[in-house]
Amino acid sequence: DQQVKQNSPSLSVQEGRISILNCDYTNSMFDYFLWYKKYPAEGPTFLISISSIKDKNEDGRFTVFLNKSAKHLSLHIVPSQPGDSAVYFCAAHTHGSSNTGKLIFGQGTTLQVKP
Amino acid sequence: DAGVTQSPTHLIKTRGQHVTLRCSPISGHKSVSWYQQVLGQGPQFIFQYYEKEERGRGNFPDRFSARQFPNYSSELNVNALLLGDSALYLCASSSPGTGTKNIQYFGAGTRLSVL
Repeated sequence: DQQVKQNSPSLSVQEGRISILNCDYTNSMFDYFLWYKKYPAEGPTFLISISSIKDKNEDGRFTVFLNKSAKHLSLHIVPSQPGDSAVYFCAAHTHGSSNTGKLIFGQGTTLQVKP
Repeated sequence: DAGVTQSPTHLIKTRGQHVTLRCSPISGHKSVSWYQQVLGQGPQFIFQYYEKEERGRGNFPDRFSARQFPNYSSELNVNALLLGDSALYLCASSSPGTGTKNIQYFGAGTRLSVL
């Protein structure tokens, strides 16, 4: 049962334009959502996050939107740069005990930004 | 400050063998989580340790085990290796109880190949 889904395996955009990466989830108990970026031969790098009590979080060129009623979140990158080309993972945090918990990841979307 | 460090970076084993992977968390982080990433998929949660105790376990067989040491470093052990265990094994550290408690920071991973 895939609780976090990224239905677009790949996305290609022109440099300077907006990149929109989408993510859907099924579990309404998720309390925190994160986006990670991964380059080949490296581990995932934290990009931006959003609490389930908010609907938008912005950090420079990156904005994450959360639509709880639709169980959908999206990552907007504006303007897109060639260095943004990577695999992007959406992850949802589910609470364990004593402030611990685990991340459940989507399958990833490969973003290619063309110069 | 050093990030999450994992060793070794690459490992080749044969079926039936045992493997030990190592992880050192970010200084000050007391929680370590392990994930398995197979090609084309997102990372899948294996274990979480916090203050040297197992706090969560994913859907993996008993051949997988882990432990956390007093200095908060961790080992992941896999016995009786199968071809399907070939994957990138990622370690992540976090700092529960702080404002960034839900953010997990990943190492570069250990690439395990089982022949």
